[in-house]
Amino acid sequence: KNQVEQSPQSLIILEGKNCTLQCNYTVSPFSNLRWYKQDTGRGPVSLTIMTFSENTKSNGRYTATLDADTKQSSLHITASQLSDSASYICVVIIGPLFPIGFSGGYNKLIFGAGTRLAVHP
Amino acid sequence: SAVISQKPSRDICQRGTSLTIQCQVDSQVTMMFWYRQQPGQSLTLIATANQGSEATYESGFVIDKFPISRPNLTFSTLTVSNMSPEDSSIYLCSAGTLRSYEQYFGPGTRLTVT
Repeated sequence: KNQVEQSPQSLIILEGKNCTLQCNYTVSPFSNLRWYKQDTGRGPVSLTIMTFSENTKSNGRYTATLDADTKQSSLHITASQLSDSASYICVVIIGPLFPIGFSGGYNKLIFGAGTRLAVHP
Repeated sequence: SAVISQKPSRDICQRGTSLTIQCQVDSQVTMMFWYRQQPGQSLTLIATANQGSEATYESGFVIDKFPISRPNLTFSTLTVSNMSPEDSSIYLCSAGTLRSYEQYFGPGTRLTVT
């Protein structure tokens, strides 16, 4: 069964501190892994995308790592800001899938439950 | 990138009624998807909206309850039929292309059923 597990479920940190969020996955066939940020009341926004061969990817204060052997990923947030308060969702993409009767393949997203981060002043 | 808009942004509906949610993408995309996000949970895929053919539903979701239309490459609708309080949720539209790894999300429609 394709599964993505995240830890911790929730986290509270003080502004300016660093934190690391974890993601473990069991999926097949693996295509790529993404971290999304979802602010309350909004749709998810992509932070990083990593393919099988990439170990690390940065986007400003966000740095994601991927260990394809152990099937683990982490998202490190540096010098946190109040605006970092959000849910962070690990998403593993499987594919391509080729459903019967559909001309072409597509990727399917498997979502983790997310880590709810609160940054306090 | 693709910008996705949804209508309505939120609604409060009575038990037994139906609501149709619209999703508009600002560019032609191959794939469109509908997700549900229940309070405090992550996203669950309802179905893939296929242009010109019937939608492909995930386990646990059926066409009678969630009929989907996709008349062209930039527009799709999801109807939540015969609603019950258990249908209270955020419904999100998503879009992407076959070649791109990226998938974009709309802002969501917050549905409350009383």
